[in-house]
Amino acid sequence: KQEVTQIPAALSVPEGENLVLNCSFTDSAIYNLQWFRQDPGKGLTSLLLIQSSQREQTSGRLNASLDKSSGRSTLYIAASQPGDSATYLCAVRPNYQLIWGAGTKLIIKP
Amino acid sequence: DVKVTQSSRYLVKRTGEKVFLECVQDMDHENMFWYRQDPGLGLRLIYFSYDVKMKEKGDIPEGYSVSREKKERFSLILESASTNQTSMYLCASSLGQGTDTQYFGPGTRLTVL
Repeated sequence: KQEVTQIPAALSVPEGENLVLNCSFTDSAIYNLQWFRQDPGKGLTSLLLIQSSQREQTSGRLNASLDKSSGRSTLYIAASQPGDSATYLCAVRPNYQLIWGAGTKLIIKP
Repeated sequence: DVKVTQSSRYLVKRTGEKVFLECVQDMDHENMFWYRQDPGLGLRLIYFSYDVKMKEKGDIPEGYSVSREKKERFSLILESASTNQTSMYLCASSLGQGTDTQYFGPGTRLTVL
């Protein structure tokens, strides 16, 4: 059974730092992996989607990588800002549904 | 932009009540989903629908039912609400082409007393 783990559960860093969020999954048979952002009391917003044939995707200050063989993905955030404070979730798609990690709560201190 | 709306942001109900949560999307998406989100557990799929009047059980369908009479609307029904159904409920939709992303509504925080 596919399981997705995100470590750490929470992270607090000063503004301006570069940081990496981690996501691991147990079964490499996936169609894609996605990173989402969730702001308090709100729904989720898709940040990046990496197809199983891809190694990385970039959007602005965000870069997500995928290593299927090791069951790992990272989300790199460059030059962090207070507006980046949110919970970040990763999800893998083995079939018709997404399997979710529990998220990493990120706080960027001004 | 895709817009997914949910009928209520906050809802308080009593044990045993029948509860309806409504979700509407405006982009003609084929697929619609209902999740619940609990601290430390991530999102868990309750039901999804890939077409009008079609539904499939997710990982935790017990105590819930769904209805999709029109393509744009997907309803989640708690037949007899219980305290362990207190949670954040999230609706999502996707185009339906296999590897596409899902678009989420703002969520409904349901409290069952």
